[in-house]
Amino acid sequence: NAGVTQTPKFQVLKTGQSMTLQCAQDMNHNSMYWYRQDPGMGLRLIYYSASEGTTDKGEVPNGYNVSRLNKREFSLRLESAAPSQTSVYFCASSARTAAEGKLFFGSGTQLSVL
Amino acid sequence: DQQVKQNSPSLSVQEGRISILNCDYTNSMFDYFLWYKKYPAEGPTFLISISSIKDKNEDGRFTVFLNKSAKHLSLHIVPSQPGDSAVYFCAAIIQGAQKLVFGQGTRLTINP
Repeated sequence: NAGVTQTPKFQVLKTGQSMTLQCAQDMNHNSMYWYRQDPGMGLRLIYYSASEGTTDKGEVPNGYNVSRLNKREFSLRLESAAPSQTSVYFCASSARTAAEGKLFFGSGTQLSVL
Repeated sequence: DQQVKQNSPSLSVQEGRISILNCDYTNSMFDYFLWYKKYPAEGPTFLISISSIKDKNEDGRFTVFLNKSAKHLSLHIVPSQPGDSAVYFCAAIIQGAQKLVFGQGTRLTINP
């Protein structure tokens, strides 16, 4: 049972390049999330998907787009990367009944934008 | 506007002693409070939570205390073990809102 799987684990981009971060979960969870972690800032919500076919903005959505491809997969796209998007990105999922905040996280993608 | 704050970036405790991690919040609408633990190169993992209708929740060596009047919660680890060395994030959520709000994290180091 893999849980939440993120790819790639590391990525270096040049300013203006685009890329997609992939996330898949095998726990049959309804809700999925993308967070970024920056020093001194904790984890901040970028986008989330409460259920298949829906997506909503979180706290820091600018410069990102998401796609809930199916129940298992939720991707995050950077159309034109900027140095301010250098961060560690975490995907997470939760069951519908986990309104109490219990999320399951992937191991993260470390992204550097030069 | 930081709704959940952890004012101590780091904490060092001797093995076997008590570790106390603190967290403050500003939004009185939060229904649940949680602590997550994070090791390097791994994602955060859920540790313990507490509902706003309770003031204490215990799970083995871990106890979370909630003081709603002060908008403050704390995590107690007794006794502290070397494997507890990690970054601890406090988090809070309004039930059904789907938005878990995290604090900045506290790096706990347990010294042998």
